[in-house]
Amino acid sequence: DTGVSQDPRHKITKRGQNVTFRCDPISEHNRLYWYRQTLGQGPEFLTYFQNEAQLEKSRLLSDRFSAERPKGSFSTLEIQRTEQGDSAMYLCASSLWGTGSEQYFGPGTRLTVT
Amino acid sequence: EDKVVQSPLSLVVHEGDTVTLNCSYEVTNFRSLLWYKQEKKAPTFLFMLTSSGIEKKSGRLSSILDKKELFSILNITATQTGDSAVYLCANSGNTPLVFGKGTRLSVIA
Repeated sequence: DTGVSQDPRHKITKRGQNVTFRCDPISEHNRLYWYRQTLGQGPEFLTYFQNEAQLEKSRLLSDRFSAERPKGSFSTLEIQRTEQGDSAMYLCASSLWGTGSEQYFGPGTRLTVT
Repeated sequence: EDKVVQSPLSLVVHEGDTVTLNCSYEVTNFRSLLWYKQEKKAPTFLFMLTSSGIEKKSGRLSSILDKKELFSILNITATQTGDSAVYLCANSGNTPLVFGKGTRLSVIA
């Protein structure tokens, strides 16, 4: 399968715990994006990378959130000290070039914070 | 702040009907407008539009962009139950993809 993959697909955690999600983009894509989607809303941009460089972070990304793409391939998104408001679908997408080109999404990681 | 507004928010039609979904946007530095279809999982790419007045078509789906009036429409002809989904419009400006809330389309047999 050559699409975007994410792991895990579902995560249930207790408030205050740390969680880490992984995204593997389409192999030749140099841009990787993280979005968050809650019920009834479109995806909201969190951050993106070009190769290993993190180029932009949204104001939505509090200091409890950190993302890395150490070798310019897969990326991880960590949330520290989770809160119930962090419950959402976390989507990863990748694209080949530029912010104007189509982005292809992974299946998402659904986080539930109890 | 870049913004995308979709209408209607939800729509129920019968199989065989034609539907038009609307997307208006405000963007600082327009690059492209994209349409996605989302069923119970991640959005799947439908169209990317960069030029005004040029219709993009894929089977029963088509889309067109008006950069002067800052809107786009997505048409679906001869709707089928498999078209039931949330249709998302997104704009690419200075920030990667600003999405609207989507239009939830329900096609009933």
